[in-house]
Amino acid sequence: GQQVMQIPQYQHVQEGEDFTTYCNSSTTLSNIQWYKQRPGGHPVFLIQLVKSGEVKKQKRLTFQFGEAKKNSSLHITATQTTDVGTYFCAGTISSGSARQLTFGSGTQLTVLP
Amino acid sequence: GAVVSQHPSRVICKSGTSVKIECRSLDFQATTMFWYRQFPKKSLMLMATSNEGSKATYEQGVEKDKFLINHASLTLSTLTVTSAHPEDSSFYICSARVWSGAVGNQPQHFGDGTRLSIL
Repeated sequence: GQQVMQIPQYQHVQEGEDFTTYCNSSTTLSNIQWYKQRPGGHPVFLIQLVKSGEVKKQKRLTFQFGEAKKNSSLHITATQTTDVGTYFCAGTISSGSARQLTFGSGTQLTVLP
Repeated sequence: GAVVSQHPSRVICKSGTSVKIECRSLDFQATTMFWYRQFPKKSLMLMATSNEGSKATYEQGVEKDKFLINHASLTLSTLTVTSAHPEDSSFYICSARVWSGAVGNQPQHFGDGTRLSIL
């Protein structure tokens, strides 16, 4: 079954409000990546977190990786209409010699002007 | 940046037809490419991992005889949906990874996807 869960599934916010999506894994992750998929487009890589407790920022976006490396979050401050899209987390689960990237279910963000 | 080209972008064909989808890494070599299927408003479901010069690795539940994958060169992987039926209608998307040998997975670069509609 799916090992990387993401909530919420949908989020509607007024432009200017903040937004957060959460990602949880049942197993420890080697790293976690975040992607954004605009409507009708393909996923585009945003960032990768590797270290326990790591926090990275990209302008209004803040990414966190939990201390246990089982959860992560993406926070957008003061959303804009250009932030519309589906945000996916993707965790690397190491199994023996295999390293598999597992995508979360995604959070679809709608920003109302 | 790394660019992945996927062709065709849209296919509409009759039931029973076989459809080939191409995935090319334009400015880098990709020893590994990935094929995903995405249902409307759903996540990406990994179908198979395509390895250059060897057999693809299929995920559980994916029929290897139904979804033929060929990765004959470092820049091209193809997915052929054989004898397609309406239930195969979906959005298929490929990705490739630039391998640098560094710790951790490298970002995946996605093609634009192929919208397959089987009548």
